[in-house]
Amino acid sequence: DIQMTQSPSSLSASVGDRVTITCRASHGITNYLAWYQQKPGKVPKLLIYAASTLQSGVPSRFSGSGSGTDFTLTISSLQSEDVATYYCQKYNSAPWTFGQGTKVEIK
Amino acid sequence: QVQLVQSGAEVKKPGASVKVSCKASGYTFTNYYMHWVRQAPGQGLEWMGIINPSGGYTSYAQKLQGRLTMTRDTSTSTVYMELSSLRSEDTAVYYCARARNYFDYWGQGTLVTVSS
Repeated sequence: DIQMTQSPSSLSASVGDRVTITCRASHGITNYLAWYQQKPGKVPKLLIYAASTLQSGVPSRFSGSGSGTDFTLTISSLQSEDVATYYCQKYNSAPWTFGQGTKVEIK
Repeated sequence: QVQLVQSGAEVKKPGASVKVSCKASGYTFTNYYMHWVRQAPGQGLEWMGIINPSGGYTSYAQKLQGRLTMTRDTSTSTVYMELSSLRSEDTAVYYCARARNYFDYWGQGTLVTVSS
C-alpha cells in the first residue's frame, strides 16, 4: 500500500504568515491528491482536489501544488479561522489513505 | 442541497456489533460511491471502506476485513456500516463521505463507544 507522510506534524505561526505543509506519497499518485481541513470538533471539509484545484467556496489564500510523490498545501496569509488540522489523502486507488495530519495553531 | 445524515451515538460492550446508518439526500444516490472513515479520540482520519450504491460492490481496509460489512438500501438512499467483534480500540467517531474520487460531502459523524 502507498503511505502518505505529512510534515510537520504541527506548526505555530502568526496571523498573516505564509504557511506551507508538505505531503509525500511512498509511490507516485500523479495528481490524485486531496487536502482536507478539520477544525476542532467539526467534520472534515474538502479544500483542494486534483492536487491544485480549489473546491468551490474555499478562500483563495489556500493553494495546492505538486504531482507524483511530493505535494504542498500553502496558506498565503494565515488567519485565525484557519486554526485546524489539515490532512492530505490519495484517491487514485484503494486504500484511500490519509496523511497523519498537520495541526496549525496561531502563535 | 446534498445532505448525509447519520444515526445517533452508540455505546456497545466489547464483542458486540454496531450498525450505523447514513441517509443521503439532494442528489442521485446511485451516482456516487460512499466511503466510511473513522477517527479515534485525538487521532487522525482512518479510511475504512467503500460501497458502490449502484451495484453494491464493496472494498474494505485490510485491517478490518472479516469484521466490517457495508450494505445499501437504494429504496431509502441509505448506506449502512456494521462492525462486529468490537474492541476498545474501535471507540471512535464514524463518518460516511460521498465521493466520485475525493470526498466532497461528509455526514455529521456518529460516536461509537466500546466499553464494558
